[in-house]
Amino acid sequence: GQSLEQPSEVTAVEGAIVQINCTYQTSGFYGLSWYQQHDGGAPTFLSYNALDGLEETGRFSSFLSRSDSYGYLLLQELQMKDSASYFCAVKGNTPLVFGKGTRLSVIA
Amino acid sequence: DTGVSQDPRHKITKRGQNVTFRCDPISEHNRLYWYRQTLGQGPEFLTYFQNEAQLEKSRLLSDRFSAERPKGSFSTLEIQRTEQGDSAMYLCASSRPREGPDTQYFGPGTRLTVL
Repeated sequence: GQSLEQPSEVTAVEGAIVQINCTYQTSGFYGLSWYQQHDGGAPTFLSYNALDGLEETGRFSSFLSRSDSYGYLLLQELQMKDSASYFCAVKGNTPLVFGKGTRLSVIA
Repeated sequence: DTGVSQDPRHKITKRGQNVTFRCDPISEHNRLYWYRQTLGQGPEFLTYFQNEAQLEKSRLLSDRFSAERPKGSFSTLEIQRTEQGDSAMYLCASSRPREGPDTQYFGPGTRLTVL
């Protein structure tokens, strides 16, 4: 089977940096993705890691360690509009399996 | 590129009725996915198509659920004899091969309420 663990809630201050961790168990592994979802909105693709290391896209970075079955999403220079749910998703021997999501609240 | 569209956006039905949802993917995307999402949970995979072929169905998908993509373009998801437990947001997503199946573009969803 496949399972993902990520914190349910995180609160951070505007302008700060926040890291959302994700650990996974999967049969077969091809990559770890991150999606953002605002309340009432659709999930939006943020990043994908197939290999170990850090991928940077603007204020967002994503890291993967395949040996540790672990990844994280790093959000820098937090803005109020970053308040949303963030999902990690793993591609194994089946189509994407999503975690339960981390609700990020950015406060002033 | 008009994005993934879904219709209707909201559906309220009585238990036991049949409902059908439609998804129009981004035009050049050959892969189409259906998910179900309930409050506080991540999207849960239901089924996916590559062109018109349905390649995988979740074990969680009961026989009351059926999906089609007859011409490899739009897709429909039908739920027969709806139950209150079917109340959820039904999301459709599409992707194209060179971006890999992990880069999926989601539609706005159809919110189903079964009374």
